[in-house]
Amino acid sequence: SQQGEEDPQALSIQEGENATMNCSYKTSINNLQWYRQNSGRGLVHLILIRSNEREKHSGRLRVTLDTSKKSSSLLITASRAADTASYFCATPQTSYDKVIFGPGTSLSVIP
Amino acid sequence: GAVVSQHPSRVICKSGTSVKIECRSLDFQATTMFWYRQFPKKSLMLMATSNEGSKATYEQGVEKDKFLINHASLTLSTLTVTSAHPEDSSFYICSATKTTEAFFGQGTRLTVV
Repeated sequence: SQQGEEDPQALSIQEGENATMNCSYKTSINNLQWYRQNSGRGLVHLILIRSNEREKHSGRLRVTLDTSKKSSSLLITASRAADTASYFCATPQTSYDKVIFGPGTSLSVIP
Repeated sequence: GAVVSQHPSRVICKSGTSVKIECRSLDFQATTMFWYRQFPKKSLMLMATSNEGSKATYEQGVEKDKFLINHASLTLSTLTVTSAHPEDSSFYICSATKTTEAFFGQGTRLTVV
């Protein structure tokens, strides 16, 4: 069963704008990961944030984690057309470490 | 970082045949690996947990006789789609966890004609 829930499910913005995607989850986690997937391709790991971290940066990416609200957000600043992809949050379950994915956000960046 | 390799990346097969997909952890041992399936424009759905030396654990609704999983060593898990049908066409991806971080294979695009 899917645990994470991303919103919005689809987002269309102009190049240069910021894109924010949110993810909610239900159970306790050790960490939360964000992935990108270009159409028809494999997953690209973007960033991992641990449960004791509140914010993490990587280049133009900023991830926040609020364990009290069981939610995370991914911010992409100064978006580029190449950022067009689907973005998923994923939460490893404490039992067996299996990773459950949210439904994903489809981001379109218009040049 | 840890690497998980999946092979093949693409396969086309005829209806009724079986297809085997391999997932290898290249620089670490994985007693547990996971298989996911992704339909077009959808998220990844966990199919099963592959356990080294024992039977796989399947998620609800996944046919174990259709999707045979073998985890014969600490670095290799295989998924065999048996008697494939066009509805089995999908993107399959495996993962293995090192400490608490998941690493994914490149995925296999299966097309059954």
